[in-house]
Amino acid sequence: QVQLKESGPGLVQPSRTLSLTCTVSGFSLTSYGVSWVRQPPGKGLEWIAAIWSGGSTDYNSALKSRLSISRDTSKSQVLLKMNSLQTEDTAMYFCARRDYAYWGQGVMVTVSS
Amino acid sequence: DVVLTQTPVAQPVTLGDQASISCRSSQSLVHSNGNTYLEWYLQKPGQSPQLLIYKVSNRFSGVPDRFIGSGSGSDFTLKISRVEPEDLGVYYCFQATHDPDTFGAGTKLELK
Repeated sequence: QVQLKESGPGLVQPSRTLSLTCTVSGFSLTSYGVSWVRQPPGKGLEWIAAIWSGGSTDYNSALKSRLSISRDTSKSQVLLKMNSLQTEDTAMYFCARRDYAYWGQGVMVTVSS
Repeated sequence: DVVLTQTPVAQPVTLGDQASISCRSSQSLVHSNGNTYLEWYLQKPGQSPQLLIYKVSNRFSGVPDRFIGSGSGSDFTLKISRVEPEDLGVYYCFQATHDPDTFGAGTKLELK
């Protein structure tokens, strides 16, 4: 069945780079794209980035300069990198299949020294 | 970027009542291909969002028919008839017509 699982460090220091991995199963990354969405504690959902099935990418306009999304189809993984982390980047980070019918459970990232 | 404005911020309800949530877009959500990519999600506490409605009015697999999406252009509504306990949580509208995708700020459906 379709599954997505996020992984990454729970704690990152300010100004450092965050690397998150979304490992998928039950579908191919060349058939479906994957998006990343985040949610700060107690707040709403914020769309961050997506990589389409063909490999093209889209980014949140406000975060674009700090983001990079890529994929490794052989490993069924989508990678998200965000640099120059700030405390405001503390959030639950979700990945979802591009049709948003399937989501991972999320990974909590705390930015703190 | 497209801004989605949801009202109300919170909707107190009695179980069995109807609830209605509005989502207005800063621009038309009609895609050049004729489709309107406006979706609705429910997020329950401690859970990932779950897709309820896609392309304005299509219920996702397994979604009860008491959830009804409607609207066109830049004005959309989600109605929930006969609210049940499992319907409580935060509802988000979402658009994927224009890049980048964007979410509304959410509407909390809660008990009176």
